[in-house]
Amino acid sequence: GAVVSQHPSWVICKSGTSVKIECRSLDFQATTMFWYRQFPKQSLMLMATSNEGSKATYEQGVEKDKFLINHASLTLSTLTVTSAHPEDSSFYICSALGGTGNEQYFGPGTRLTVT
Amino acid sequence: DQQVKQNSPSLSVQEGRISILNCDYTNSMFDYFLWYKKYPAEGPTFLISISSIKDKNEDGRFTVFLNKSAKHLSLHIVPSQPGDSAVYFCAASVQGGSEKLVFGKGTKLTVNP
Repeated sequence: GAVVSQHPSWVICKSGTSVKIECRSLDFQATTMFWYRQFPKQSLMLMATSNEGSKATYEQGVEKDKFLINHASLTLSTLTVTSAHPEDSSFYICSALGGTGNEQYFGPGTRLTVT
Repeated sequence: DQQVKQNSPSLSVQEGRISILNCDYTNSMFDYFLWYKKYPAEGPTFLISISSIKDKNEDGRFTVFLNKSAKHLSLHIVPSQPGDSAVYFCAASVQGGSEKLVFGKGTKLTVNP
């Protein structure tokens, strides 16, 4: 149990375009999901906390107009990188809070490359 | 300011021996600590956690020790297996694991056959 999926697993897009990443909790409901970003050989950095039915809470330094988060249901949160630039290239990972132990369960991540 | 520090970027041990991964933290408000295992291009997999009210938690081959006074925790893997080779992240949270996690930079463990 407690499986989280992400789609797509990797995406290449051109500079200036927008990309949407989906995060789904497959076998449990998650009122809270988190979005992290990891640069090569760095730790995972929290970008925002997504609560179902309300606005996301962004960490300091994260542009909320650039990284749009929608948590429309208890099993789905989406992250849209708008007007992507090469510096947005990174590994984006979501986690969902829930399951049996109130732990965070992580998705497999999405590799975004902006050319 | 790195609130969670893993000062060893890598560790190499022989199969069957003990692996000890260390983690230090600076924020005294952290009350919940977790270890995750991560393979390249994959999301972290939860291994084991410990609440600040405990000083030890054991799950099979994995044991986490917490020294609150030193703001230090460690993960022991005994016996180490080649399949344990991965990057291990220490993470900390306030108000249990339901709040945001602050991660260390990770330690790459290599277990040699």
